[in-house]
This record gives sequence, structure tokens and C-alpha cells, in this order.
Amino acid sequence: AQSVTQLDSQVPVFEEAPVELRCNYSSSVSVYLFWYVQYPNQGLQLLLKYLSGSTLVKGINGFEAEFNKSQTSFHLRKPSVHISDTAEYFCAVSTTNTGNQFYFGTGTSLTVIP
Amino acid sequence: DAGITQSPRHKVTETGTPVTLRCHQTENHRYMYWYRQDPGHGLRLIHYSYGVKDTDKGEVSDGYSVSRSKTEDFLLTLESATSSQTSVYFCAISLTGKGSYEQYFGPGTRLTVT
Repeated sequence: AQSVTQLDSQVPVFEEAPVELRCNYSSSVSVYLFWYVQYPNQGLQLLLKYLSGSTLVKGINGFEAEFNKSQTSFHLRKPSVHISDTAEYFCAVSTTNTGNQFYFGTGTSLTVIP
Repeated sequence: DAGITQSPRHKVTETGTPVTLRCHQTENHRYMYWYRQDPGHGLRLIHYSYGVKDTDKGEVSDGYSVSRSKTEDFLLTLESATSSQTSVYFCAISLTGKGSYEQYFGPGTRLTVT
């Protein structure tokens, strides 16, 4: 089975500051990588995905992530956060040989401070 | 919006009673999933389905069963609910096989077992 590690359970950041949410995965095969956001009392919404090609992927709400195969990482970044970015963020991985199954990290709670 | 609804959205039940949660989709997707979300654990896969009457176990399947008698409905049953099954349950569908692999989630069902 794959595993996904989100190194920070909570990340506080001031409004308009940059943020990076870290995600590492373990897999010996090719992977698909995803970031989801969950606002309070809601379901998960896809932020962005990496399937193949360019290692820098851009998503909604100004977020981007970079796939680093050698470090098995897929860190999420935003250059300037807003209060509305306060939410829980989940990293997920699926593999090319089991493309239908996802493995999720434990989540990072991002709190944007005014 | 992938046309996913879950019912009920909230339920309180007593230990030992059976409970069935329903997931309904309107877009004829082949793959459907049930997850539970608990603090510190992220999302964990309970069961999934890859077609009508085709289901398989996930990471945390003990105490749960599923059924899928038609494409649009995927039912999750707790045969005899326990307090450890208090959680938020999410249904998801996958676009696997249609050129992308992301999953889309329903709004969730909050289940409390007293």
C-alpha cells in the first residue's frame, strides 16, 4: 500500500504572506498526485492534480504545487494567502497500476491570521 | 459538481442498531467509494465499487458492508453500529478511464452512535 505524509498538522500564517504545505509519499511506481481543500462542514474539493508532464501544476484559487520525483514530494504553495484560504488541506496519491484507489494524508489545517 | 448526493446528512443512532447510508450519483460513473473521516486520520477507504454488484474492501472495512444493485446508488450498511463508528462518511466517484483520475466527493453524512 502507498502512504502519504503531511508533515505539518497545523499551519498558521498571516494574511498576504506566502505559505507552503508539505506532502511526501512512498511509492516505487509512477503516481498520480492530488491536493484537496475542505472548508468547514463541507466535502472535499479538488485544488489541483499531477498526472504527467510539467512538474509544476497550477490549480484553483491561486495555488500551485511542484512534483519532485527524486524527493517523492508534492508540496502545495501560494504566494499570498487570504482569510478565505482558512481550511483543511489534504494530499492524496494513487498509482498508475491501481488508478482507482486513493491514499490520503492526515491533513493540514491552514489558519490565516488577519 | 459531479452530481453526488448523500442521505441522510445527519444521523444519531444507538449502539447495536443497523444503519444504512445512501450515496446517489446522476452521471453514470463506474467507480464509487465510501470513506470515513476522523481527526488525525484523514480519509480512510471503507469499501469501493467498480460496477454493479462488483465491490471490494478498503483499509477499514470491518463492521461495514456495501451493496450496489444499480449504477447510481451505492449503499453503506453498519450491521450493528458501535461508538467507534461515530464519524463523518463521504461518498466519492472516480473519473478513472475517462482521461483523468481524480475523485469527486459528496457533501458527507455525520453519524453519531450513542
